[in-house]
Amino acid sequence: NAGVTQTPKFQVLKTGQSMTLQCAQDMNHEYMSWYRQDPGMGLRLIHYSVGAGITDQGEVPNGYNVSRSTTEDFPLRLLSAAPSQTSVYFCASSTGTGHGYTFGSGTRLTVV
Amino acid sequence: DQQVKQNSPSLSVQEGRISILNCDYTNSMFDYFLWYKKYPAEGPTFLISISSIKDKNEDGRFTVFLNKSAKHLSLHIVPSQPGDSAVYFCAADEKLTFGTGTRLTIIP
Repeated sequence: NAGVTQTPKFQVLKTGQSMTLQCAQDMNHEYMSWYRQDPGMGLRLIHYSVGAGITDQGEVPNGYNVSRSTTEDFPLRLLSAAPSQTSVYFCASSTGTGHGYTFGSGTRLTVV
Repeated sequence: DQQVKQNSPSLSVQEGRISILNCDYTNSMFDYFLWYKKYPAEGPTFLISISSIKDKNEDGRFTVFLNKSAKHLSLHIVPSQPGDSAVYFCAADEKLTFGTGTRLTIIP
């Protein structure tokens, strides 16, 4: 049982480049979310999904797009990378409200 | 506007003693609260949760207390062990809003 798998683990981008962070879960969870972790800021919600075909914005959605075509996958797209997007990104999934979320191991992104 | 606050960035506790981590929130409509533990270079791991209709939930060495009138919750770890050294995040299950975390260090 792999849980939540994020790829890549590390990435360096140049300003203006685009890329997709991949997230896949094999637990048939309906809820999936993307967070970024910055020093002193905790984890902040970027986008979330309550099921296939349904997505919504979180606290810090600007500069990011998501889609949820299947229950398993929830990719996060950076449209035009900026140094302010340098962060550690976590994907998480859950069966629903009140249940613990399972997190992936993170993607460390550096934008130069 | 930080809806979930952890005002202590760090805490050091002697091994075997009780660790108490605190969390305050502003939104009385939150239904659930959760605690996560995070080691460096890993994703957060779910520890324990509590529903807003309860005031206590216990799981082994971990107990979470909820004081709704004060909008305050706390995580008690008894007895504290070296493996408990990590960053602890409090979260409210309204889009999983996280606090900024408290780094707990257990001193052998």
